[in-house]
Amino acid sequence: AQKITQTQPGMFVQEKEAVTLDCTYDTSDPSYGLFWYKQPSSGEMIFLIYQGSYDQQNATEGRYSLNFQKARKSANLVISASQLGDSAMYFCAMREGPQGGSEKLVFGKGMKLTVNP
Amino acid sequence: DTGVSQDPRHKITKRGQNVTFRCDPISEHNRLYWYRQTLGQGPEFLTYFQNEAQLEKSRLLSDRFSAERPKGSFSTLEIQRTEQGDSAMYLCASSPGPGQGYRSYEQYFGPGTRLTVT
Repeated sequence: AQKITQTQPGMFVQEKEAVTLDCTYDTSDPSYGLFWYKQPSSGEMIFLIYQGSYDQQNATEGRYSLNFQKARKSANLVISASQLGDSAMYFCAMREGPQGGSEKLVFGKGMKLTVNP
Repeated sequence: DTGVSQDPRHKITKRGQNVTFRCDPISEHNRLYWYRQTLGQGPEFLTYFQNEAQLEKSRLLSDRFSAERPKGSFSTLEIQRTEQGDSAMYLCASSPGPGQGYRSYEQYFGPGTRLTVT
């Protein structure tokens, strides 16, 4: 079974609008971490945001926030006030087990975001 | 902090040849990871090191693949007898590792090495 599911192959959004990128995950481990990475056309993976399974509050990093719904096993990324530079591939990833353990990441297939002027 | 660097950025090789890639992590990072990314997919974990010790290997890492991290600094990934299915982007990442402070979980990725096997 897929551990990370990103069902939106691509999305378009107007500059300055907010956009939500969907991610669902599957794990039986009570301790895990969820990540979002951005991959522009240059190819480098850029860390955006992290949510631990025991974190009480949703993570925020500037214009990025993670809508963490544990019971639904979803970890959607919200980008507020989209910018042209946000156009890229976005990947959701999960670390199973506690921080300090394996730390290997399992990635979803990604989705392409295009921000239009 | 110069970030994670990888060399070469691109490699074209003929089937059956051996190739070696190098990754230089962020200097104070204890952990180093290798991932492989094929077209249209997310990165897939291959292996990781804590200092010089290789702690985990994926089933994807067949016996044609070998990775080393001598002295716990840079790492090399060698592929022997390359096959066309090895064509992919090979990504290296590093992280501070456990107990190394705030956001020790954050993996910083290099620009990748794109391998094409003809």
